[in-house]
Amino acid sequence: AQSVTQPDIHITVSEGASLELRCNYSYGATPYLFWYVQSPGQGLQLLLKYFSGDTLVQGIKGFEAEFKRSQSSFNLRKPSVHWSDAAEYFCAVAGTNAGKSTFGDGTTLTVKP
Amino acid sequence: GAVVSQHPSWVICKSGTSVKIECRSLDFQATTMFWYRQFPKQSLMLMATSNEGSKATYEQGVEKDKFLINHASLTLSTLTVTSAHPEDSSFYICSARVPGGHEQYFGPGTRLTVT
Repeated sequence: AQSVTQPDIHITVSEGASLELRCNYSYGATPYLFWYVQSPGQGLQLLLKYFSGDTLVQGIKGFEAEFKRSQSSFNLRKPSVHWSDAAEYFCAVAGTNAGKSTFGDGTTLTVKP
Repeated sequence: GAVVSQHPSWVICKSGTSVKIECRSLDFQATTMFWYRQFPKQSLMLMATSNEGSKATYEQGVEKDKFLINHASLTLSTLTVTSAHPEDSSFYICSARVPGGHEQYFGPGTRLTVT
């Protein structure tokens, strides 16, 4: 069975500081990995995805993530956080068969001025 | 591209009544749509997978007679909460998968309050 762990429930960073959100997954083969962002009362927006190839993927809004098979991780990074980045972030994994995604519990990002 | 809409965005209904929520893919045809439920400060819980022209596949523990899903066309899936009770109050989110892809595009969600 596939699973996702986001170890950090809540992270606070200062505006302009760098950000890294952690994600660890469990899946028997090469997974499809995603990061989504959710603003309060809204649906989820896809930030980036990894299927294969280059392990460093670029996404929207200046985000990037690195797939590390040896660590079963897919951490999300941003070099300089903006106040508008405050939101809930979800990591997800999908298998190749059913295609269903399993979501982590999410990380709440707070940005201090 | 890949825009998904939901209607209504917010609904209040009385206990015992039924509520229908629509999920539409606006600029692509979605053979597969998903319905999720999200409680405050929690992650998404997959309720069912909806495939166009066939019966939905429900996750374990989800009452299929209570949460009726219909995916009658390639751009529309509906979720009907039948005989709603206060414990059904939640945020319901749909998503659609682009044909041939694995990423999902999410609707903005529907806040259901049952009084």
